[in-house]
Amino acid sequence: DQQVKQNSPSLSVQEGRISILNCDYTNSMFDYFLWYKKYPAEGPTFLISISSIKDKNEDGRFTVFLNKSAKHLSLHIVPSQPGDSAVYFCAAKAGGGNKLTFGTGTQLKVEL
Amino acid sequence: NAGVTQTPKFRVLKTGQSMTLLCAQDMNHEYMYWYRQDPGMGLRLIHYSVGEGTTAKGEVPDGYNVSRLKKQNFLLGLESAAPSQTSVYFCASSHGNRNSPLHFGNGTRLTVT
Repeated sequence: DQQVKQNSPSLSVQEGRISILNCDYTNSMFDYFLWYKKYPAEGPTFLISISSIKDKNEDGRFTVFLNKSAKHLSLHIVPSQPGDSAVYFCAAKAGGGNKLTFGTGTQLKVEL
Repeated sequence: NAGVTQTPKFRVLKTGQSMTLLCAQDMNHEYMYWYRQDPGMGLRLIHYSVGEGTTAKGEVPDGYNVSRLKKQNFLLGLESAAPSQTSVYFCASSHGNRNSPLHFGNGTRLTVT
């Protein structure tokens, strides 16, 4: 049972345009959400997070939006750059623990 | 400051062999984790530890054992490797406070033939 879903395995965007990566979750106990970025042959690195008490969090070119009623979050990257080409994982956790449940990832390719 | 270091980077085992994956962190983190990544499955939690001397099961613990004898080290053991354990294994660590992000190592690619 996949509690965190990333339904788009891949996404291709032109340099300078907006990239929108989507994530859906089913567990209503999730209250903290994170995005990780992963390059080949490296471990995932933390990108941005959002608490369930907020609906938006912004950090430079990266913005995460949370729609709790729809159990949906999205990551916006503006403007997209070739160095953003990577796999992006959505992750979520519930309650006081630190265990993360990850989605299956979306491969973003930013083309020149 | 190396962060999270995993040893080895690659390993090939035959079915039934055993091995230990080593993870070391130099950030004085309380929590440590072992995940596996498989195509189409994302990262799944195998075992984790909330402090020295403690371990707990994650989502997919069967066939693995762990030990956290020192705060900076977290070992993952496979007693009798099976082809289903072919995967990329990631170790991670984090502070003990609630929303601190996980810091990952660069992974160990294990193939069981």
